[in-house]
Amino acid sequence: GESVGLHLPTLSVQEGDNSIINCAYSNSASDYFIWYKQESGKGPQFIIDIRSNMDKRQGQRVTVLLNKTVKHLSLQIAATQPGDSAVYFCAEARYILGSNYKLTFGKGTLLTVNP
Amino acid sequence: GAVVSQHPSWVICKSGTSVKIECRSLDFQATTMFWYRQFPKQSLMLMATSNEGSKATYEQGVEKDKFLINHASLTLSTLTVTSAHPEDSSFYICSARDPNSGRDNEQFFGPGTRLTVL
Repeated sequence: GESVGLHLPTLSVQEGDNSIINCAYSNSASDYFIWYKQESGKGPQFIIDIRSNMDKRQGQRVTVLLNKTVKHLSLQIAATQPGDSAVYFCAEARYILGSNYKLTFGKGTLLTVNP
Repeated sequence: GAVVSQHPSWVICKSGTSVKIECRSLDFQATTMFWYRQFPKQSLMLMATSNEGSKATYEQGVEKDKFLINHASLTLSTLTVTSAHPEDSSFYICSARDPNSGRDNEQFFGPGTRLTVL
C-alpha cells in the first residue's frame, strides 16, 4: 500500500555538525509533509511542515526540502546539539472530511548527537 | 501552546481485563482527536479518528469492538481496550486538533500511555 519511508534508520553526528535526515514517500496526493521529533517515552513534537506546492521551507536551525519529482523529503538541522538526539519521523498529511488531516508516519530515524 | 494530556502514563493489566485511557485537551476545545498505536522501535499507526458527539472512524484492520472510543466532550476522548491480550501491549498516543489554531493540519500530541498486558 501507500507508505512513507526512510532511507536511514540511524544517524550519528558530532555536536556542531549539520544533520540531514531523509524520507521517501510514495503517495503524491498529500497536502503537507511534516517532520516530528520524538524523544524516548514521549509523544511526537512538531518541528516544521511544508506544503506540497513548495520545495523549501526554513525554520529556526531547521530546513525542509521537498523534491516532488523523486518523491523525497529531507530535514536539515544546523549546528546539531545533544538536545536534538531523538527519533525523527516524517509524516504525510492528507485532507479528510471536516477540516481535518490524516497523518501517515514514516518509519523514523534515530539521531544521536555525540558531544 | 496547546497542551494535550493522557492518563494514565503507564498501566499494567492482566490478560482479559479492560483498560481505559483518557486524552484531554487542557487549554483548547478539540472537535477532533486521533488515536495512534506505536510498537517498540516502530512508527505511529493511526487507529481511529474521533469526532466530538459522533462515532469514531476506524482505520482498516482496527477492531472497533475491541478498541472502544468515546468523545463525549470537547476536551475529553477515551480509548478502552477491551479484553486486553499481550499482543495489545503498546504505546498508545492521542492527538487533538485545535480548530482555532489557524493551522488545520496541526495535531497536538499527548505524552502517550504505555500499556503492558501480562
